[in-house]
Amino acid sequence: QKEVEQNSGPLSVPEGAIASLNCTYSDRGSQSFFWYRQYSGKSPELIMSIYSNGDKEDGRFTAQLNKASQYVSLLIRDSQPSDSATYLCAPRKSSASKIIFGSGTRLSIRP
Amino acid sequence: GAVVSQHPSRVICKSGTSVKIECRSLDFQATTMFWYRQFPKKSLMLMATSNEGSKATYEQGVEKDKFLINHASLTLSTLTVTSAHPEDSSFYICSAARTSGNKNEQFFGPGTRLTVL
Repeated sequence: QKEVEQNSGPLSVPEGAIASLNCTYSDRGSQSFFWYRQYSGKSPELIMSIYSNGDKEDGRFTAQLNKASQYVSLLIRDSQPSDSATYLCAPRKSSASKIIFGSGTRLSIRP
Repeated sequence: GAVVSQHPSRVICKSGTSVKIECRSLDFQATTMFWYRQFPKKSLMLMATSNEGSKATYEQGVEKDKFLINHASLTLSTLTVTSAHPEDSSFYICSAARTSGNKNEQFFGPGTRLTVL
């Protein structure tokens, strides 16, 4: 079983709709969870971090965490073409631990 | 805040030469920095964890004598690819860990694209 599992996509969503990106992880000891966005040819950019169960909202982004189900998701409301990128899910055990990256979900927002 | 720079952004070198890449945290101190490599359309691969004032921790399969890491200060880590070969051509990205209150987050530099001829 992979440490972090994400659907590779591409996930195609119409402009203005909600994009839903999912991630499961295998290490129950994971405490912190990060979502990064990576445009083609660029380095990852941190867009959300979540540490406790439930929802966390930041602008058009909402991260959802369910530690019991070992599941974390990212919702993007009012999707824009500029949201087209690869989204990387990244759990971490503790602040001293390395982040484990998923292989990412490629999101494509169609006008 | 949380700006990480890398230099150079792009480098082309001949086979057998060594290349040094710098990673700097510009507006925060980072006791820990990380070096990743990414091949086209592939996942980020962690190469090593760099700790200020101590030896780097390398991931399995990464040759420490080939990829020399030095973390000389709280804002600078360097990666030297020694005796580079064409198969070392890749996108090298560093990240720096910033601690703020009870949050510890990693921020990435813009990356260095290495081409070995």
